[in-house]
Amino acid sequence: EVQLVESGGGLVQPGGSLRLSCAASGFTFSDHYMDWVRQAPGKGLEWVGRTRNKANSYTTEYAASVKGRFTISRDDSKNSLYLQMNSLKTEDTAVYYCAIDFWSRDAFDIWGQGTMVTVSS
Amino acid sequence: DIQMTQSPSSLSASVGDRVTITCQASQDISNYLNWYQQKPGKAPKLLIYDASNLETGVPSRFSGSGSGTDFTFTISSLQPEDIATYYCQQYDNLPRTFGPGTKVDIK
Repeated sequence: EVQLVESGGGLVQPGGSLRLSCAASGFTFSDHYMDWVRQAPGKGLEWVGRTRNKANSYTTEYAASVKGRFTISRDDSKNSLYLQMNSLKTEDTAVYYCAIDFWSRDAFDIWGQGTMVTVSS
Repeated sequence: DIQMTQSPSSLSASVGDRVTITCQASQDISNYLNWYQQKPGKAPKLLIYDASNLETGVPSRFSGSGSGTDFTFTISSLQPEDIATYYCQQYDNLPRTFGPGTKVDIK
């Protein structure tokens, strides 16, 4: 079964840092681009960023709202995706999902269950 | 960035009703559009890809159409289990952007 499981969420003060993880199973992780999508409480979905696969040099892309503060990385040997979040702001409070385009249709067809990040003093 | 708009923002309909949601892109995105369903407390679920292709396992009462800038999502006969928020999402380019969502409930 293809599965994504996020972890690492919690409460952090403004200006602080947090690292989220996404553990993948049931598929060849190294073949796939991996994305992060977030959802603030009661709000819509916002794409955060992407890491491409080794064949595409592990290049990354970010939303303007997080560029320079967030870093996406991956460890193919551990089938894991990471989101390092620095200089956190209250507006970063959200559920963070990892998601993949498993069937290569440019659609997020597999999602994790999400992990909640709360930025508050 | 490509801006996505949806209407209505919410709707209430009876079981068995036909429900239609529209999504508009700020520029031509061909058919590079997906539709997702999200139930409270759950991750989104892909329903429609490439504007009109039904994801495997999704009931045939769901459908999508459109191209360019204007798209439509339809539930042909609303069922109680369809209570959710529906989002369109473009993949013409990065950043991927979502519509603001349409909340559907039962009258």
